[in-house]
Amino acid sequence: DTGVSQNPRHKITKRGQNVTFRCDPISEHNRLYWYRQTLGQGPEFLTYFQNEAQLEKSRLLSDRFSAERPKGSFSTLEIQRTEQGDSAMYLCASSFNPGQGRTEAFFGQGTRLTVV
Amino acid sequence: ILNVEQSPQSLHVQEGDSTNFTCSFPSSNFYALHWYRWETAKSPEALFVMTLNGDEKKKGRISATLNTKEGYSYLYIKGSQPEDSATYLCAFENNAGNMLTFGGGTRLMVKP
Repeated sequence: DTGVSQNPRHKITKRGQNVTFRCDPISEHNRLYWYRQTLGQGPEFLTYFQNEAQLEKSRLLSDRFSAERPKGSFSTLEIQRTEQGDSAMYLCASSFNPGQGRTEAFFGQGTRLTVV
Repeated sequence: ILNVEQSPQSLHVQEGDSTNFTCSFPSSNFYALHWYRWETAKSPEALFVMTLNGDEKKKGRISATLNTKEGYSYLYIKGSQPEDSATYLCAFENNAGNMLTFGGGTRLMVKP
């Protein structure tokens, strides 16, 4: 297991189309996060999972966005009816949080979405 | 909304120069401050996770300090090299421990 893997690396889609991204976290990590990064900004939190449970969801995440993590392993992020403002880098990260203390989050290389 | 700010936004230095940048964050509900290094076309890479006021961490030529009472952290790079060129991100973790709130990053460019 070499790290967090995201697919695809790049996606170009027409406005109005649906897109789905996948994230495979480091296998023993129980937490999985999705972030979005636009040009000139730091990553913005979208949502996170503890195992298969989606525990928090940002107000940035409109109804067109949905994320799942079935079986607590890989996760998918779907954007329905894409808009040009959805164009961004979508980053996935995972960490192991044993309940006490904190560990660092490991990031994937991201999926760059361009909506035309 | 938590306010995590980094300055400067970008920095150009010559090879061999030492440099530093700042991350400011809320001083309440603090749990940890993370520093990441993000090179183009790569994943953000964790540099430090700092939890104690007054803590100082070092990795090679890079070091960081933490002041949780006033809500700031400094990242120092001694003798910058072209391979240090990257965006340096800090992230605040509150004591609920749910997520990291990132600053906007400092983009460092080191000229040979």
